[in-house]
Amino acid sequence: DQQVKQNSPSLSVQEGRISILNCDYTNSMFDYFLWYKKYPAEGPTFLISISSIKDKNEDGRFTVFLNKSAKHLSLHIVPSQPGDSAVYFCAASASGSEKLVFGKGTKLTVNP
Amino acid sequence: NAGVTQTPKFRVLKTGQSMTLLCAQDMNHEYMYWYRQDPGMGLRLIHYSVGEGTTAKGEVPDGYNVSRLKKQNFLLGLESAAPSQTSVYFCASRDGLAGRGYDPYFGPGTRLTVL
Repeated sequence: DQQVKQNSPSLSVQEGRISILNCDYTNSMFDYFLWYKKYPAEGPTFLISISSIKDKNEDGRFTVFLNKSAKHLSLHIVPSQPGDSAVYFCAASASGSEKLVFGKGTKLTVNP
Repeated sequence: NAGVTQTPKFRVLKTGQSMTLLCAQDMNHEYMYWYRQDPGMGLRLIHYSVGEGTTAKGEVPDGYNVSRLKKQNFLLGLESAAPSQTSVYFCASRDGLAGRGYDPYFGPGTRLTVL
């Protein structure tokens, strides 16, 4: 049973436009959510996170939105840059648990 | 400050062989983790440690053992490697201070192939 789902395996956008990556979860105990970016042959790099007490968190070009009632979160990248091309993983955790549950990832390609 | 380092970067084993993967962090983090990533899959937690001398099972612990004898090191052992353990292994660590977000730092990975 996949508790964190990233239903789009890939996404392609033009440089300068907005990239929107989506993530759905099923476990209502999840209260902390993270996005990681991963380049080939490297480890995941932490990007941005959000607690369930918030519905938005912004860091520069990156904004994460959380809709608890829909059990849905999204990552917005504005403006998108070619260097943003990578695989993006959504992850979730529940309070008191050390386990991060990852989605399968979405490969973002930003075309110049 | 090297962050999280993993040794080796690549390894090929034959079925039944044993090996140890080493993870080291220089950030004085309390918590350390071993994950594996298989093609088309997200990362899955194998084992973790909440401090020196402690270990605990994650989501997929079978076939692996771990040790945390020193705070900065977390070792992952395969006693008898199987082809199903072919994967990329990532180590991660995080600060255990209260109030911090859960944002582990990951190492570069070890690509293991078991023939």
